[in-house]
Order: sequence, then C-alpha cells, then structure tokens
Amino acid sequence: GNSVTQMEGPVTLSEEAFLTINCTYTATGYPSLFWYVQYPGEGLQLLLKATKADDKGSNKGFEATYRKETTSFHLEKGSVQVSDSAVYFCAPDGGSYIPTFGRGTSLIVHP
Amino acid sequence: KAGVTQTPRYLIKTRGQQVTLSCSPISGHRSVSWYQQTPGQGLQFLFEYFSETQRNKGNFPGRFSGRQFSNSRSEMNVSTLELGDSALYLCASSSGTAQETQYFGPGTRLLVL
Repeated sequence: GNSVTQMEGPVTLSEEAFLTINCTYTATGYPSLFWYVQYPGEGLQLLLKATKADDKGSNKGFEATYRKETTSFHLEKGSVQVSDSAVYFCAPDGGSYIPTFGRGTSLIVHP
Repeated sequence: KAGVTQTPRYLIKTRGQQVTLSCSPISGHRSVSWYQQTPGQGLQFLFEYFSETQRNKGNFPGRFSGRQFSNSRSEMNVSTLELGDSALYLCASSSGTAQETQYFGPGTRLLVL
C-alpha cells in the first residue's frame, strides 16, 4: 500500500524566512505527487502537483520536485509571508483513485 | 463553476444519536470521498463513491456509512454517535479518474456531547 511521512510541526518562521517541509513516500506503481494546503477554517485545496520524475510543481512561490530515486517531494518557498500560515499536506496518489494524505505540517509565520 | 458544498456547516449532537451529512460535488464530478479530520489522528479516509457505488473504503467501523445518488450528491451517516466522533468531516470530489486533483468542501464540524 501507499504511505507518506511528513516532518512534524509546527514549523515556526519569521516573515521572509526560507521554508522546507520534508515529505517522503512509498507507493505502488508510478504515483502522481500532490501538496495540498488548508487555511484556517477551510477545507484543503491543491497547492501544486507533479506527475513524473524530475517534474517541478510550482504555485504561489512554492516549489516541489519529484525525486523518484529518493521517493521524496519536499516543499520549499524562498520567502514566506504571514498569509502562508496554514497546514500543508503531502499526498502521493498511486492510482487507487484516492491519494494517501500525510498527517499535515502546521506552518506559523510571524511578522 | 460552483465549488464543493457541504451541509450543515456545524452540528451538535449527543451520544447515541445519529447524524447525516451532505455533500454536493462540483458539476460533472462523479467521485466523492469522505474524510474525518481530528487534531490527534489527522486526516483519515472514510470511503469513496463513484457512480453510486462504494469504490474504496477506509478502516472505520460499520457505524459510518454513506451513499451516492444519481446526481453524484453524497450523504454520510454516523449512527450511535460517540464522543470520539467529534471532528471536522470533509468531502472531496473529483472526476474519478486515477491521480486527479481532489476538490474539497469547507467541511462539517460535528460536536458530540
């Protein structure tokens, strides 16, 4: 089956700091990889995705590269803002019609 | 396109009661999945319906059940509520093709007293 490991949170940063949230996965077949974000009081929404090895997904300044050799999909942003405070979920989808969600990593950005 | 809608948004019940939650997917989407989110357990998959059939199921007791109608709207039912069922219940819709983006609703927050 599929599984995913995300770094424990909360991650607390000052505005404009560099962000990395680690994600490693195990999956059958050739999964697509997703990062979802959940802002306070809302449901999850897609942040970015990558569908094949070495693809880089990007959105709103966030990036993640599909690393098949290390089965990783780490999320990065060069300069975080207070508005980025949210919970981030890594979710590989190995083709079972539903992704496997990590436990989520809470990000808190202080002004 | 309208997004995924869930009703009600908030609900308070007492132990032993039953509850029904509703989810309307994005128009044209045939798959609806349900998740339970709690601070302790994170996001846990309940089940997925596609074209009125349960296609995937998580590891929850039989008190949790669901169904999907011909217009793809879905309902989830929890019988004999327990305190531990207090959670945010999220539904997500997608086209139903493998490895597609899931579109989530805002959730129903259930409090069991």
